[in-house]
Amino acid sequence: QSVLTQPPSASGTPGQRVTISCSGSSSNIGSNYVYWYQQFPGTAPKLLIYRNDQRPSGVPDRFSGSKSGTSASLAISGLRSEDEADFYCAAWDDSLSSWVFGGGTKLAVL
Amino acid sequence: QLQLQESGPGLAKPSETLSLTCTVSGGSISRTSYYWGWIRQPPGKGLEWIGNIYDSGTTFYNPSLKSRVTISVDTSKNQFSLKLSSVTAADTAVYYCARLGGGWDIFTYYFDHWGQGTLVSVSS
Repeated sequence: QSVLTQPPSASGTPGQRVTISCSGSSSNIGSNYVYWYQQFPGTAPKLLIYRNDQRPSGVPDRFSGSKSGTSASLAISGLRSEDEADFYCAAWDDSLSSWVFGGGTKLAVL
Repeated sequence: QLQLQESGPGLAKPSETLSLTCTVSGGSISRTSYYWGWIRQPPGKGLEWIGNIYDSGTTFYNPSLKSRVTISVDTSKNQFSLKLSSVTAADTAVYYCARLGGGWDIFTYYFDHWGQGTLVSVSS
């Protein structure tokens, strides 16, 4: 059972907008930044969003992050087949003194 | 370009100590703007943070693993290491080393570069 809760799966068709949610608590998302990672099968996670809504250089602006209270969301607009991957949210948890991750969401582009 | 590469035995026996090393290239591990950590991923499952090491040797470990984990840095070799003792089959996972960057205090640094990962299986 992950400290951060994500839906196990999400899907959309090419060109659509998809959102992936990440729910936490006051000790993690509620008081710290949220990060999002994208992972393709057999590869290492790659930083997609940092500090709630910032994109590293090279990440397309189709990817956007937001945070409200104890929840965060990753939005992918103009969905493309190459976006199929697993997505993980992460945050520091003050109560646990620990980094915590969501269980991951597998995105399918139909 | 920064690269991180995990190395170590791919197989460990139950009750033994798992030892992995992460070699950093394309940047100095002793640069004070960055810190270092380990994350693991059991086959088919999600990510689990193991621990981080900051300058002056300050470490933070996952509370569920704390009694078994040691992370250290060897600046002379530009490497940092993970030791996990008393392993069981539940410790079978891909182990990733990662850099923490971009922050201004230890709670705002985040994992911005990852190694490719190495699979460690625990079996007799």
